[in-house]
Amino acid sequence: DAGITQSPRHKVTETGTPVTLRCHQTENHRYMYWYRQDPGHGLRLIHYSYGVKDTDKGEVSDGYSVSRSKTEDFLLTLESATSSQTSVYFCAITRLAGKDEQYFGPGTRLTVT
Amino acid sequence: AQSVSQHNHHVILSEAASLELGCNYSYGGTVNLFWYVQYPGQHLQLLLKYFSGDPLVKGIKGFEAEFIKSKFSFNLRKPSVQWSDTAEYFCAAYSGGYQKVTFGIGTKLQVIP
Repeated sequence: DAGITQSPRHKVTETGTPVTLRCHQTENHRYMYWYRQDPGHGLRLIHYSYGVKDTDKGEVSDGYSVSRSKTEDFLLTLESATSSQTSVYFCAITRLAGKDEQYFGPGTRLTVT
Repeated sequence: AQSVSQHNHHVILSEAASLELGCNYSYGGTVNLFWYVQYPGQHLQLLLKYFSGDPLVKGIKGFEAEFIKSKFSFNLRKPSVQWSDTAEYFCAAYSGGYQKVTFGIGTKLQVIP
């Protein structure tokens, strides 16, 4: 398995609280992605990064922000969690965007009550 | 916008039956195509990929896929499924110009012993 870890693996939080999810890689890959997976919607891209401090929005970025201050870490923040953000969040990395496979982390199950 | 369609959302097969899962993408030009598998409770893993060359691609665990450019399709096949193939299967495509891959919504395969 590629060296990707996500923390926490499970989290329950209340509506309106901030939440930060962490993705850590040991592969030194340039590209990192945050997806959410929901029944009937498959995988949807939230944000991605193509280098340190270089990030861009995906298709469902509203309510989320990201930061990448080091190659190995990509943080996803929900500034004020809502119930619609209850989901499973996956981080992925790749060496060459779209030209190599993506390696996925184990996922974080987030429940917003 | 680029899109990937998977028309079979839930497929139920008996062991030893043949499998074909459909995948269509919406754009022309050069495209890189992927199939990923997600076993229950796990993260996505690459099954196979197509970048160029022979349009019939063989992947792991006996899976193969055929790229048909004229039909914008990349269907996944397996001659004889096993109970252990029960999983969700995602088709994905990359068309260049963006640093991200578009995923289909997935097909859940249930194999009955």
